[in-house]
Amino acid sequence: QQQVKQSPQSLIVQKGGISIINCAYENTAFDYFPWYQQFPGKGPALLIAIRPDVSEKKEGRFTISFNKSAKQFSLHIMDSQPGDSATYFCAAAYSGYSTLTFGKGTMLLVSP
Amino acid sequence: EAQVTQNPRYLITVTGKKLTVTCSQNMNHEYMSWYRQDPGLGLRQIYYSMNVEVTDKGDVPEGYKVSRKEKRNFPLILESPSPNQTSLYFCASSLNPDRYEQYFGPGTRLTVT
Repeated sequence: QQQVKQSPQSLIVQKGGISIINCAYENTAFDYFPWYQQFPGKGPALLIAIRPDVSEKKEGRFTISFNKSAKQFSLHIMDSQPGDSATYFCAAAYSGYSTLTFGKGTMLLVSP
Repeated sequence: EAQVTQNPRYLITVTGKKLTVTCSQNMNHEYMSWYRQDPGLGLRQIYYSMNVEVTDKGDVPEGYKVSRKEKRNFPLILESPSPNQTSLYFCASSLNPDRYEQYFGPGTRLTVT
């Protein structure tokens, strides 16, 4: 049973455009929702994270939008750059429990 | 430099030949975990450890063993590898179970023929 569903599988965006990746979850006990970024040949690294007490969190060009009632959250990358080309994973975790449940990933390509 | 290291980075082996992938972190983290990454399946947790001598199964533990005798090390053991264990493996750690940011190692690409 997939607890975190991520879409799309792959995404091509022109430089300067907005990249949007969506995730949905089933378990309402999840209370931490991070996004990880993975470049080829590297391990994933934490990009940005949100807790369900806020609806949006912004860090530079990266924004998480969170909709608790719909059990959905999304990553928006504004002014996308070729250096943003990577695989992005959403994830979810329970309070006090470090184990992350990951989505299947989105391969983003930002064309010059 | 704070980091998670894994060895080897690349490994080609044959079915049934026992192998160990080492993982070490220098951040004094309590929590450590192993994941495998497969195309179209994302990251799936194999085993995790909340602290020394405390380990538990993740989502895909079959065919794997782990041990946590020291805080810094968390080796992954494949007693009798099979071709379906061909994958990219990542070790990760976090400060403690209440801190969610996980730091990942560089990965070990394993091929079992």
